[in-house]
Amino acid sequence: AQTVTQSQPEMSVQEAETVTLSCTYDTSESDYYLFWYKQPPSRQMILVIRQEAYKQQNATENRFSVNFQKAAKSFSLKISDSQLGDAAMYFCAYSSDFTGNQFYFGTGTSLTVIP
Amino acid sequence: DTGVSQNPRHKITKRGQNVTFRCDPISEHNRLYWYRQTLGQGPEFLTYFQNEAQLEKSRLLSDRFSAERPKGSFSTLEIQRTEQGDSAMYLCASSGRWGTDTQYFGPGTRLTVL
Repeated sequence: AQTVTQSQPEMSVQEAETVTLSCTYDTSESDYYLFWYKQPPSRQMILVIRQEAYKQQNATENRFSVNFQKAAKSFSLKISDSQLGDAAMYFCAYSSDFTGNQFYFGTGTSLTVIP
Repeated sequence: DTGVSQNPRHKITKRGQNVTFRCDPISEHNRLYWYRQTLGQGPEFLTYFQNEAQLEKSRLLSDRFSAERPKGSFSTLEIQRTEQGDSAMYLCASSGRWGTDTQYFGPGTRLTVL
């Protein structure tokens, strides 16, 4: 089965600074999708960014960007100009047409933004 | 489009009781997923529907759990004879036609079994 590993249970960043959250995954497939979701305290999970494995270009959404290293099976999230509203639990997720259409999630990284 | 909604948001029950949760997906989405999330963990897949058909079930979904999606609209997840180990957040998500489409999550139902 596919596994997704987030090795940083907690991270902190100073407001306006940049932080990188790590994610690695294990798969034997060549075509798949990777996601970062954000779950604020007591609020629902929302999509931050999505990456298709067949695309070499790293996805970017405003202050959020990824560093996708397919050979290394690494998918890190960079948050630039961190804001207080970025404080949340961040989950990395994997999906493919061969995994039964389910998402595999990591255990999450809790991000604290320090004013 | 008001997003995915779930009811109730919180449920406290005694061990042995039955509970039922409801999920209303985004209206044009034909795929609906149920996940369970325990403290300190990421969501774990339970089951999913394409329209009214339940196409996959996780081994986490014991025979005490049953899910339905009549007419391919809202879905219900029922847990019979609840156990303390069932205490968790139950998340519903919906997506468009393809399995790798982005899943949009509801706020979840937090179940506490006493």
